[in-house]
Amino acid sequence: KQEVTQIPAALSVPEGENLVLNCSFTDSAIYNLQWFRQDPGKGLTSLLLIQSSQREQTSGRLNASLDKSSGRSTLYIAASQPGDSATYLCAVVSNFGNEKLTFGTGTRLTIIP
Amino acid sequence: AAGVIQSPRHLIKEKRETATLKCYPIPRHDTVYWYQQGPGQDPQFLISFYEKMQSDKGSIPDRFSAQQFSDYHSELNMSSLELGDSALYFCASSRPLAFSGTGELFFGEGSRLTVL
Repeated sequence: KQEVTQIPAALSVPEGENLVLNCSFTDSAIYNLQWFRQDPGKGLTSLLLIQSSQREQTSGRLNASLDKSSGRSTLYIAASQPGDSATYLCAVVSNFGNEKLTFGTGTRLTIIP
Repeated sequence: AAGVIQSPRHLIKEKRETATLKCYPIPRHDTVYWYQQGPGQDPQFLISFYEKMQSDKGSIPDRFSAQQFSDYHSELNMSSLELGDSALYFCASSRPLAFSGTGELFFGEGSRLTVL
């Protein structure tokens, strides 16, 4: 059974700093990995999708990397802003033909102005 | 661009009542997933449908049932509601990897169910 873990559970950093969020998964046979952002009580906003054949994806100030063999992904946020404060969730698709996501436990990020 | 539409956005019910949530996937997405997110929890997979057939089942209580209709919209029916059913219920849609999809799931805004 796939298990996804995110460390740390919570992180506070001053505005302007670069930061890294970590995600690890137990079964390396994944098809893709998605990073999501969730504001309190709100829906899930997809940030980046990395296919299993890819090493990284970039969108603006966000860069996600994937090391399938070691079961790890990182989300790098450059020049953090207070608006980046949210919970960040990673999720993996493990099965071809039924692409349900298994979610990590999330990292609650607070950017201090 | 059209997104996943969920209704209602908010729902308040009493214990032992019944609730129905609806999900309208992105056009041409034939797969629908339901997730439940309790307070402070990560989303938990409930059930999924592909081409109107149940494709996978997760931690969905027997009191819950769901189906996908011919227009690909899906409904989640919850009966004999309990306090612990209070949660955000998300619907997501995708095109399967096997059909030129990327496997990316697109989520709706969620339906918040409060059971009193």
